[in-house]
Amino acid sequence: DAGVIQSPRHEVTEMGQEVTLRCKPISGHDYLFWYRQTMMRGLELLIYFNNNVPIDDSGMPEDRFSAKMPNASFSTLKIQPSEPRDSAVYFCASSLSGSPNEQFFGPGTRLTVL
Amino acid sequence: KQEVTQIPAALSVPEGENLVLNCSFTDSAIYNLQWFRQDPGKGLTSLLLIQSSQREQTSGRLNASLDKSSGRSTLYIAASQPGDSATYLCAVYYNTDKLIFGTGTRLQVFP
Repeated sequence: DAGVIQSPRHEVTEMGQEVTLRCKPISGHDYLFWYRQTMMRGLELLIYFNNNVPIDDSGMPEDRFSAKMPNASFSTLKIQPSEPRDSAVYFCASSLSGSPNEQFFGPGTRLTVL
Repeated sequence: KQEVTQIPAALSVPEGENLVLNCSFTDSAIYNLQWFRQDPGKGLTSLLLIQSSQREQTSGRLNASLDKSSGRSTLYIAASQPGDSATYLCAVYYNTDKLIFGTGTRLQVFP
């Protein structure tokens, strides 16, 4: 298996622009997670899905952030409009329900908003 | 609030030393605990996962223990090598879904 795939790996954009991050989970996994990592706050859970349904979005910082999972093999995290404080590394992870429910992480997308 | 703390925040040691990294969590009702490694600018690599019914897990030179009653986990690295230099993250599953990450320990092993 190729593991969790994220694209793009790096994104540089200007303030006010729309940014879309993409994730392909491991085939067969029924949970998908989006995390954000910054120096100040470390790794934070933004939102997660189970069977393509959002379960908990309490970590989404603002309404500018939205996430979708149209099918079991694809998810997007969108920021519109982007701001410099959104600059961070965004990770996607997936897991299979049942013990031990271990999460597997993608390589991350490094976002820079100028 | 469920918090995960790691001590020390940074550690610099000569090659060959045995190391102990500490992780503490405020809520002992955990499901699983996982240790990760993160190299600069890279993603997370899973090292060990300890299920709540287990006391420890071992992989090569790494040994992780879990004491739920005291809210602690330790990662033991034997005979450290320069290639072990990275940030080590402890993460706690508070249910089957939600993972709370610790603050991390930045390790440098010099020759």
